[in-house]
Amino acid sequence: LAKTTQPISMDSYEGQEVNITCSHNNIATNDYITWYQQFPSQGPRFIIQGYKTKVTNEVASLFIPADRKSSTLSLPRVSLSDTAVYYCLVGVRLTGGGNKLTFGTGTQLKVEL
Amino acid sequence: EAQVTQNPRYLITVTGKKLTVTCSQNMNHEYMSWYRQDPGLGLRQIYYSMNVEVTDKGDVPEGYKVSRKEKRNFPLILESPSPNQTSLYFCASRGSGEHYNEQFFGPGTRLTVL
Repeated sequence: LAKTTQPISMDSYEGQEVNITCSHNNIATNDYITWYQQFPSQGPRFIIQGYKTKVTNEVASLFIPADRKSSTLSLPRVSLSDTAVYYCLVGVRLTGGGNKLTFGTGTQLKVEL
Repeated sequence: EAQVTQNPRYLITVTGKKLTVTCSQNMNHEYMSWYRQDPGLGLRQIYYSMNVEVTDKGDVPEGYKVSRKEKRNFPLILESPSPNQTSLYFCASRGSGEHYNEQFFGPGTRLTVL
């Protein structure tokens, strides 16, 4: 599985846009890029998934350059409630439908007033 | 409400006393998995199951057992718990929809083994 590298922590203020970049140099052709959010003592929650270019949903945008060796999660106008750990994962559906996701240590985002 | 439930949420036990953590999902998902989360190590997959009676090891399966007799349930069994299994455990399930990396996680079980 492709290894991912992301910053350990980031700080921001309410109302700002936050961009968290993840490096995945060894991404395979069939790999998708997925981001999760986790609040303390809760299970991770799926945010967004993409394969290439740009994906946007009601929560975030995901930018993936043509070489797919990195990706950027963009959170528009963050609020205090966006303080959480954000995980970048690269994974692929295994033969037969299985799925092996490897979570790293994530990026701790702290949003202040 | 679509959800993954785990029980118990908190458990303190002693070394060697067999325990089971239950996991149940009501979304008719075929795929289920167990993770443990430890400070500085992120989440690590213990076991996963692609369907009833089909299970496979994740990254850290030693000391754990699982079973999948029914689609909705995927219990995690610790036959002889040890202190190094003190951790926060999450169960997750995934459907066959568009976002196949989208797993739905339970609320977690905090286990302490003395």
